[in-house]
Amino acid sequence: AQTIHQWPVAEIKAVGSPLSLGCTIKGKSSPNLYWYWQATGGTLQQLFYSITVGQVESVVQLNLSASRPKDDQFILSTEKLLLSHSGFYLCAWSWDNYEQYFGPGTRLTVL
Amino acid sequence: GQQVKQSSPSLTVQEGGISILNCDYENDMFDYFAWYKKYPDNSPTLLISVRSNVDKREDGRLTVFLNKSGKHFSLHITASQPEDTAVYLCAAGGGYQNFYFGKGTSLTVIP
Repeated sequence: AQTIHQWPVAEIKAVGSPLSLGCTIKGKSSPNLYWYWQATGGTLQQLFYSITVGQVESVVQLNLSASRPKDDQFILSTEKLLLSHSGFYLCAWSWDNYEQYFGPGTRLTVL
Repeated sequence: GQQVKQSSPSLTVQEGGISILNCDYENDMFDYFAWYKKYPDNSPTLLISVRSNVDKREDGRLTVFLNKSGKHFSLHITASQPEDTAVYLCAAGGGYQNFYFGKGTSLTVIP
């Protein structure tokens, strides 16, 4: 069975500080991986996708970056957080770009 | 503009009744349509999905109807139960970076 983990569960960070969020998927080789973001009260929005190691495509520009250093790992980061980065970050995987399955998410609060 | 719209932010149904959740989309190139269930502070869980080559799919108490000419799809939940109370997100897309979510409809099933 496939399992998807995200870390940390929650973060409280200061404006201007760096951020790194992680996601790992086990039990599935070479999945498509995605990062999503939902602002409080907002719509779930796709940020990045990756179909293979080392290759990441940006969907929405939010002063964030993503990397896929390993087949089963997806990292979301920024060097300087903004207040607008607060929200719920979700990693998802799919086998064929259709059914997408989400991880438990990371709640980020930027103060 | 919004690619996927859920016009009803909330819906209340009596236990045992049929819950009908609606979703409209903009892009007639979309070929995949999905419904997710979400509890507060949790990640979405995929309930049921269809590809554009079918106009109906059933899974237990859940049925998805797809009306491509009207750019509309819906989720019918029969014999609604209090445990169906949650936020339901519709999503539509086609291609790795074209996956859009609606804002959600909050379903309440009254015992």
